[in-house]
Amino acid sequence: DTEVTQTPKHLVMGMTNKKSLKCEQHMGHRAMYWYKQKAKKPPELMFVYSYEKLSINESVPSRFSPECPNSSLLNLHLHALQPEDSALYLCASSQVRPPGLVSSETGELFFGEGSRLTVL
Amino acid sequence: AQKITQTQPGMFVQEKEAVTLDCTYDTSDPSYGLFWYKQPSSGEMIFLIYQGSYDQQNATEGRYSLNFQKARKSANLVISASQLGDSAMYFCAMRETTGNQFYFGTGTSLTVIP
Repeated sequence: DTEVTQTPKHLVMGMTNKKSLKCEQHMGHRAMYWYKQKAKKPPELMFVYSYEKLSINESVPSRFSPECPNSSLLNLHLHALQPEDSALYLCASSQVRPPGLVSSETGELFFGEGSRLTVL
Repeated sequence: AQKITQTQPGMFVQEKEAVTLDCTYDTSDPSYGLFWYKQPSSGEMIFLIYQGSYDQQNATEGRYSLNFQKARKSANLVISASQLGDSAMYFCAMRETTGNQFYFGTGTSLTVIP
């Protein structure tokens, strides 16, 4: 199983709504990521979890709240979002062990298909 | 300083021709990995090819090859025999030894012309 699955694929929400994005992987990866991506731009890192602990938070507004309930699941809770938060939200996972020193392990990011969020 | 630089915002190539997408990187870490991803208009990020800093040979995966010039800190992607389905955004990325962070370039939009 080499998939990262994200739900929902599309989400439309108002500025007062509370919603959640979900991500699941069964590749045994212990690093999981949330990225935000605007059209024709590179993915912007939001959060990284390593061994289910938040290891990187790229100064993301508190209206985005990540959660890693176990080693396979990653959630992103959304509350009181702004229209400028409309974007593609990508979940990804990878091995924690970095590449380079271990020739058989590439350590690439595996991405889900993304959740396309529209905030009205 | 930018960790990954892609200087070609947009590229055009004739179908069946080869095309090179440029990527330069900046790191002082002796051990790192370089990656190329393809993102079609559907949005999915597809891993294409990997080059490790200690790899002696350039990586190849089917029609994709990586022209790795370590001294110049460049890792250009070569796509041979372009197909219409190759039209997409292409991102170069790097992962250093320390931490779990990946650095992405700004991307190149490739259009294959019939």
